[in-house]
Amino acid sequence: DAGVTQSPTHLIKTRGQQVTLRCSPKSGHDTVSWYQQALGQGPQFIFQYYEEEERQRGNFPDRFSGHQFPNYSSELNVNALLLGDSALYLCASSLEFPSGNTIYFGEGSWLTVV
Amino acid sequence: SQKIEQNSEALNIQEGKTATLTCNYTNYSPAYLQWYRQDPGRGPVFLLLIRENEKEKRKERLKVTFDTTLKQSLFHITASQPADSATYLCAPTLMNTGFQKLVFGTGTRLL
Repeated sequence: DAGVTQSPTHLIKTRGQQVTLRCSPKSGHDTVSWYQQALGQGPQFIFQYYEEEERQRGNFPDRFSGHQFPNYSSELNVNALLLGDSALYLCASSLEFPSGNTIYFGEGSWLTVV
Repeated sequence: SQKIEQNSEALNIQEGKTATLTCNYTNYSPAYLQWYRQDPGRGPVFLLLIRENEKEKRKERLKVTFDTTLKQSLFHITASQPADSATYLCAPTLMNTGFQKLVFGTGTRLL
């Protein structure tokens, strides 16, 4: 049973560019969340997708957008990259019902903006 | 605003001893609280979940307590081993009509 898988694992982008990160949830999971983790900090919630819709959003600008596909996989897009966007981007998946399910994380995508 | 506080400094524990990590939260009432382990450069790995109506939860050498009055959770690792070295993240979890959102502390590094 594959866990949460993310790609790419590492990438380097230039300021102003755009990036797309991809996530496949754990088998059977229907809910995907994205988190940003800066060095030395805990993960910060970006947004969550369920039934192909963004359900709630953290304190991130509109440059951060996402998508969920019918097979529950998800993408995170970041436009107009800033140096401060350099971080580990984590995808997490869970089951919507019943409530209170364990949330599983992928290994993350390391983004460096230069 | 919601705030999570964990021991900010690294915790150095002698092999075989019990390590105790603290998680304090303010300005909200989580339905439950999850603890994760994170190794350098890796994603967080789920360890334990404790609900607001549970006082204590155990799993092998791990024990978690949850005091909603004190707004605090304690995470214990008994008989510490070198392999326990990692950062441990506390995540009180909000529930809103079934929606789960983890709010993480900065983590405590166990050496």
